[in-house]
Amino acid sequence: GAGVSQTPSNKVTEKGKYVELRCDPISGHTALYWYRQSLGQGPEFLIYFQGTGAADDSGLPNDRFFAVRPEGSVSTLKIQRTERGDSAVYLCASSDLAGGTGELFFGEGSRLTVL
Amino acid sequence: AQKITQTQPGMFVQEKEAVTLDCTYDTSDPSYGLFWYKQPSSGEMIFLIYQGSYDQQNATEGRYSLNFQKARKSANLVISASQLGDSAMYFCAMREGGGGTSYGKLTFGQGTILTVHP
Repeated sequence: GAGVSQTPSNKVTEKGKYVELRCDPISGHTALYWYRQSLGQGPEFLIYFQGTGAADDSGLPNDRFFAVRPEGSVSTLKIQRTERGDSAVYLCASSDLAGGTGELFFGEGSRLTVL
Repeated sequence: AQKITQTQPGMFVQEKEAVTLDCTYDTSDPSYGLFWYKQPSSGEMIFLIYQGSYDQQNATEGRYSLNFQKARKSANLVISASQLGDSAMYFCAMREGGGGTSYGKLTFGQGTILTVHP
């Protein structure tokens, strides 16, 4: 498909485990973003990649959270030593910085449940 | 202080009627952008409409229009001729700054659930 793809769509894990969430952006989009959406809330910014580098990681809540985008396309959000409070939907988005309004195109999210 | 405030947790509208979803924002940056997104039950965020702080006219996109009142710092979404498929969560969001690293860093409100009745 042509949209942003996120896997897995659902992930259930136990407290203390390590989790990876994957995002495949729209082809040609250089900018990639991760957001976290808790139940009943709006999405909250986590990190922004321009190409391979993290241009802004100010939204990562602590050092258990890390994200990479080694080849400037697919990105992986990594969460170490998961806690119950990490349960949320993790949304990935991409955008084309070349013009327009720069609106974000979102995937359907990865729902993480930490038991 | 909340940067984006959506005071309506839920709204109901009859099919084919118009509905206004409220959004107020707070920023001291003269350059900013305002967005509305729709989130159906599938979870995907769908971009609806954008208003730049320097835009002279209110943005319109099909049945969507943005009632931008800069002095009052409000950016209400108007949906005309509501359809059953419009039932979803709607989020107002703001980007502060003219671009660069702030380009996709949006601050979202808490959302309004819209239910369209037949």
